[in-house]
Amino acid sequence: GAVVSQHPSRVICKSGTSVKIECRSLDFQATTMFWYRQFPKKSLMLMATSNEGSKATYEQGVEKDKFLINHASLTLSTLTVTSAHPEDSSFYICSAQTSGGAGMFDEQFFGPGTRLTVL
Amino acid sequence: GQNIDQPTEMTATEGAIVQINCTYQTSGFNGLFWYQQHAGEAPTFLSYNVLDGLEEKGRFSSFLSRSKGYSYLLLKELQMKDSASYLCAVSLNTPLVFGKGTRLSVIA
Repeated sequence: GAVVSQHPSRVICKSGTSVKIECRSLDFQATTMFWYRQFPKKSLMLMATSNEGSKATYEQGVEKDKFLINHASLTLSTLTVTSAHPEDSSFYICSAQTSGGAGMFDEQFFGPGTRLTVL
Repeated sequence: GQNIDQPTEMTATEGAIVQINCTYQTSGFNGLFWYQQHAGEAPTFLSYNVLDGLEEKGRFSSFLSRSKGYSYLLLKELQMKDSASYLCAVSLNTPLVFGKGTRLSVIA
């Protein structure tokens, strides 16, 4: 299957700093990428949908000025957590969608996730 | 709003069969996915149903009834490595809406 990478896998930062997380589709082009966050023992919550070359679409309740998303190419999307606070500590997962073609579903492939800890 | 319900936790014995149920009430429907997620890792795709009926793939099978808003994931010949969370997700146009996941513990 298609491979999606995320970097870094873990990051610890001080409160007030900004953290950038990269999501790359390694062997396919993804016009659409998604960013999720997941709290311990909870489900994945969609934060935003990122389309290459256009502004991200944020879910209700997600601050777009705090979670900056850039999808500059068909293989790279970045999520920047600005002025991070301890409550932003979470597991952030990206996914990239392929186009399945006629009669196939558009499968999402998930990155390995980034664990952010804000002290 | 969208609502997807799954049991929170289940326990089953190695070698046995377990069925994980999922019910959904959503504003649209383009298919239902099942994912497996081990702790601290990303979800991995298990199955996709868009038509009513049973899809079988090795030890894993998934069933869908669109009229009832109901799906189940069936795991046969359970192995210890099957201990994980199983996420039911409904596709609404593009983004997936996930249930809270069912944490399955396989015991000897």
